Amino acid sequence: AQKVTQAQTEISVVEKEDVTLDCVYETRDTTYYLFWYKQPPSGELVFLIRRNSFDEQNEISGRYSWNFQKSTSSFNFTITASQVVDSAVYFCALSEFTGGGNKLTFGTGTQLKVEL
Amino acid sequence: NAGVTQTPKFQVLKTGQSMTLQCAQDMNHEYMSWYRQDPGMGLRLIHYSVGAGITDQGEVPNGYNVSRSTTEDFPLRLLSAAPSQTSVYFCASSGVGQPQHFGDGTRLSIL
Repeated sequence: AQKVTQAQTEISVVEKEDVTLDCVYETRDTTYYLFWYKQPPSGELVFLIRRNSFDEQNEISGRYSWNFQKSTSSFNFTITASQVVDSAVYFCALSEFTGGGNKLTFGTGTQLKVEL
Repeated sequence: NAGVTQTPKFQVLKTGQSMTLQCAQDMNHEYMSWYRQDPGMGLRLIHYSVGAGITDQGEVPNGYNVSRSTTEDFPLRLLSAAPSQTSVYFCASSGVGQPQHFGDGTRLSIL
């Protein structure tokens, strides 16, 4: 069975601080996908990134970066110089490799609050 | 390009009533899925489909039925609503090998 753990239920930071959201996963599959989704207060789910299990290169997109470490089964997400617009719930998710991610196992989410 | 469209956005039901949550996508995606989101539990997979005529159960399928007669539509049916089914329901779709994209959700309350 697959499992995703986001131990941080809620994080509060002041604008311009850097913040890291932790994600730890469990799977017996040797190949799989990992994802991050953002859910702003308006409620929709926004796809941020997908990473396959055989690509451990870190990725950076603007103020966002992701650190995938297969050895520790972690896929952490860092926001640099946070902004109020980053306030949202962030979900980490895991899927089987087959299908590319149509059967997602989600973590319970981390509520990020960025204050002025 | 509408993407994934869910209707209705809000619904209130009485216990025992039935209803169908609609989901349509206009991207010719093979894969479609239904999830429910409950406080403190993240999203959980209810049912999914890998193509027209093919459906399968996810983690929490009890109390829900689905069918996929066309590529575009994937309705979720509650046959006899229960208060435990009060939740926010999300439909998602994806092409083969592609990440899922979600609809805006249906907020369902069952009294």
